Amino acid sequence: GIQVEQSPPDLILQEGANSTLRCNFSDSVNNLQWFHQNPWGQLINLFYIPSGTKQNGRLSATTVATERYSLLYISSSQTTDSGVYFCAVVSDTGRRALTFGSGTRLQVQP
Amino acid sequence: GAVVSQHPSWVICKSGTSVKIECRSLDFQATTMFWYRQFPKQSLMLMATSNEGSKATYEQGVEKDKFLINHASLTLSTLTVTSAHPEDSSFYICSAVPGRGRGTQYFGPGTRLLVL
Repeated sequence: GIQVEQSPPDLILQEGANSTLRCNFSDSVNNLQWFHQNPWGQLINLFYIPSGTKQNGRLSATTVATERYSLLYISSSQTTDSGVYFCAVVSDTGRRALTFGSGTRLQVQP
Repeated sequence: GAVVSQHPSWVICKSGTSVKIECRSLDFQATTMFWYRQFPKQSLMLMATSNEGSKATYEQGVEKDKFLINHASLTLSTLTVTSAHPEDSSFYICSAVPGRGRGTQYFGPGTRLLVL
């Protein structure tokens, strides 16, 4: 099945700093979503972005489908941004469920 | 829009009992729903794909007789953990896709199961 790799696995930032999270995938996809998992476990949909670029406030994402990677940018980070960020994809040739990466654990310090 | 609910959010049970978890799409119909499991500090792993009106499709290594899935309507799927044991303690999360199963997947808030 499709492989999804996220980097870095852990990231510690000072409040106000910017960061870039990366997601590499091994096959062509028809769905790519970025999530933020909060401390209670809820998965918050950040972006549905199988290709192209989107922005939502301090967050933006870019997926280069031909090169099989996606980037999530967080600008002016806040302590509430802390948590785990997951990238998940649906392969063009595989099952319809999302395959998740291992996540990036972000800690924003005041 | 596109809200998915789960009930209960927390359950504690004794070993050997069965637990039913409900997943509902509140404002859309979903032909397909998915059930995932997440252990502490790990990622989400797909357990099964729930199809309305037909049998669920289970991932390799997931016991279909232990994790019973019923997709009774276009807005409801249930997961029953039968004869639960402590190793079944986990965070169970469902997701649903509006329409015929393509596009954004929306996740429920999850159910924490603790088996004593």
